Amino acid sequence: DADVTQTPRNRITKTGKRIMLECSQTKGHDRMYWYRQDPGLGLQLIYYSFDVKDINKGEISDGYSVSRQAQAKFSLSLESAIPNQTALYFCATSETGQGATDTQYFGPGTRLTVL
Amino acid sequence: LAKTTQPISMDSYEGQEVNITCSHNNIATNDYITWYQQFPSQGPRFIIQGYKTKVTNEVASLFIPADRKSSTLSLPRVSLSDTAVYYCLVGDPAGGSYIPTFGRGTSLIVHP
Repeated sequence: DADVTQTPRNRITKTGKRIMLECSQTKGHDRMYWYRQDPGLGLQLIYYSFDVKDINKGEISDGYSVSRQAQAKFSLSLESAIPNQTALYFCATSETGQGATDTQYFGPGTRLTVL
Repeated sequence: LAKTTQPISMDSYEGQEVNITCSHNNIATNDYITWYQQFPSQGPRFIIQGYKTKVTNEVASLFIPADRKSSTLSLPRVSLSDTAVYYCLVGDPAGGSYIPTFGRGTSLIVHP
């Protein structure tokens, strides 16, 4: 969905390096999410943010941090990358409120390889 | 959060109808059932959502029995392009604490 963009799309880095993945959305949604997907597995929630001042840990937050710079921007950081963080990372947004279906809209994903 | 159980994989052939069942025994009164489809190396996309009985759209149908402890996603006359992973999610979309949780999903392979 072009309304949710992720940069970079692919990244190769080395163990111990700091790396930031960025997500931007033009849908005007309050909620944003970061997921990780390993080959053959489902999506695991890393962090989620219900609004700019509300950030919460998901299932697998260890080794990751996030920043919600604005309603439209949600960044994921790996402070010191390790090989088992090699995965496909997805950002998603959703709208909330009475009557909302909370449908999630996903970005194209960032493929991260840590050597 | 209501836990869901669905088959890990299914195989079908072009032109057949495919039914994927999801079990959610502890679904709550305000919970909705939502299905997503994911193609390789792409993010999941919303397919259909329902609360009870039957919902149909241009892509699929969703059947929900009266007790709502399970639901069935029905894909009519599948084609090779329907090969994907299908996820069943349960939760209250209007709830303040709703966190969409994806399991491993069902990997559907459609054969020629």
